[in-house]
Amino acid sequence: NAGVTQTPKFRVLKTGQSMTLLCAQDMNHEYMYWYRQDPGMGLRLIHYSVGEGTTAKGEVPDGYNVSRLKKQNFLLGLESAAPSQTSVYFCASRPSTGEGYGYTFGSGTRLTVV
Amino acid sequence: SQQGEEDPQALSIQEGENATMNCSYKTSINNLQWYRQNSGRGLVHLILIRSNEREKHSGRLRVTLDTSKKSSSLLITASRAADTASYFCAPVLSGAGSYQLTFGKGTKLSVIP
Repeated sequence: NAGVTQTPKFRVLKTGQSMTLLCAQDMNHEYMYWYRQDPGMGLRLIHYSVGEGTTAKGEVPDGYNVSRLKKQNFLLGLESAAPSQTSVYFCASRPSTGEGYGYTFGSGTRLTVV
Repeated sequence: SQQGEEDPQALSIQEGENATMNCSYKTSINNLQWYRQNSGRGLVHLILIRSNEREKHSGRLRVTLDTSKKSSSLLITASRAADTASYFCAPVLSGAGSYQLTFGKGTKLSVIP
């Protein structure tokens, strides 16, 4: 049981390049999330999905797009990377039933934009 | 969604001592969750306390919730070096507000061997 798997773990991009971060979960969770974590800023929600084919904006969605074509996968895209997007990105998931469930997090993707 | 604010921002204790960290929030909640993050790793869910509960235990963890003061505390007893990590609280609203979990800046705990 792998839980939440993020790929890649590390990436260096040049300004203006594009990339996609993949999040995969094997727990049949309905809800999935993308966060970014910057030093001294805590975690900030980028986008989330409450089911296959649905996505919604979080606190800091600008510059990112997401897709949830399959229930187990949640993709985060950067169309034109900027240095301000240098961060550690975390994916998380949880079951849909009720509010009394904790989130399961991936181990993160460290992205540097130069 | 709403964000909890953890206090203190940093805490340094000797191994074997107890560590207490606090969380304040602003509106009514359905439950409140605590998470741990070891350096360079993802967050790990520690414990969840519902709005109708006042205290909950899990191993060396004790969580309290005071909904009248909109505050919670996390107590780690007999701390170990392995408890060194950042700790985050996450208040959870009811209904559609529960879709999003937001985090504050956390409390950075250092346990000195």
